[in-house]
Amino acid sequence: AQKVTQAQTEISVVEKEDVTLDCVYETRDTTYYLFWYKQPPSGELVFLIRRNSFDEQNEISGRYSWNFQKSTSSFNFTITASQVVDSAVYFCALSDTPGGYQKVTFGIGTKLQVIP
Amino acid sequence: DGGITQSPKYLFRKEGQNVTLSCEQNLNHDAMYWYRQDPGQGLRLIYYSQIVNDFQKGDIAEGYSVSREKKESFPLTVTSAQKNPTAFYLCATGPFSYNEQFFGPGTRLTVL
Repeated sequence: AQKVTQAQTEISVVEKEDVTLDCVYETRDTTYYLFWYKQPPSGELVFLIRRNSFDEQNEISGRYSWNFQKSTSSFNFTITASQVVDSAVYFCALSDTPGGYQKVTFGIGTKLQVIP
Repeated sequence: DGGITQSPKYLFRKEGQNVTLSCEQNLNHDAMYWYRQDPGQGLRLIYYSQIVNDFQKGDIAEGYSVSREKKESFPLTVTSAQKNPTAFYLCATGPFSYNEQFFGPGTRLTVL
């Protein structure tokens, strides 16, 4: 069975601080995909990144960066120089279903509040 | 405009009533999904469909029903058998491969 743990339920930071959101996953498969989504107050989930299990390279996109470590089954997300617009709930997710249908398991989310 | 539309944005239901939530997409994606989100919880899968005229139960299908008569549409009916239907409902689509899912704006259902 697959499982995603986001141990931080809520985080508050002051604007311009860096913040890291933790994600730990469990799966028995060697082939799987990891995702991060952002859910702003409007409610719609916005896709941020997909990473497959064979690619452990860290990725940076502007102020966002992701650290994937198979040895610790973690896929952490860092926001550098946080801004008020980063305030949202962030979900980490895992998919390890073979074939066409994606069975995606979501973590419970981390609510990030960036204080001006 | 391309994307996923859900309607209505807010829905109020009296106990004992069935209600239908709409989900339409023009992304030409094969797969469509319905999730339920409750406060403090992640997303839980209700139903999914890989192709037209075929759908499968997810983790919490009891009290819900769906249909997939067209590729573009995947409506969800919340029946009176669903004991606690007040929640935020999200529809998602995805191509038939290992790719991310794309989400609609959601429908917030409240039972009065």
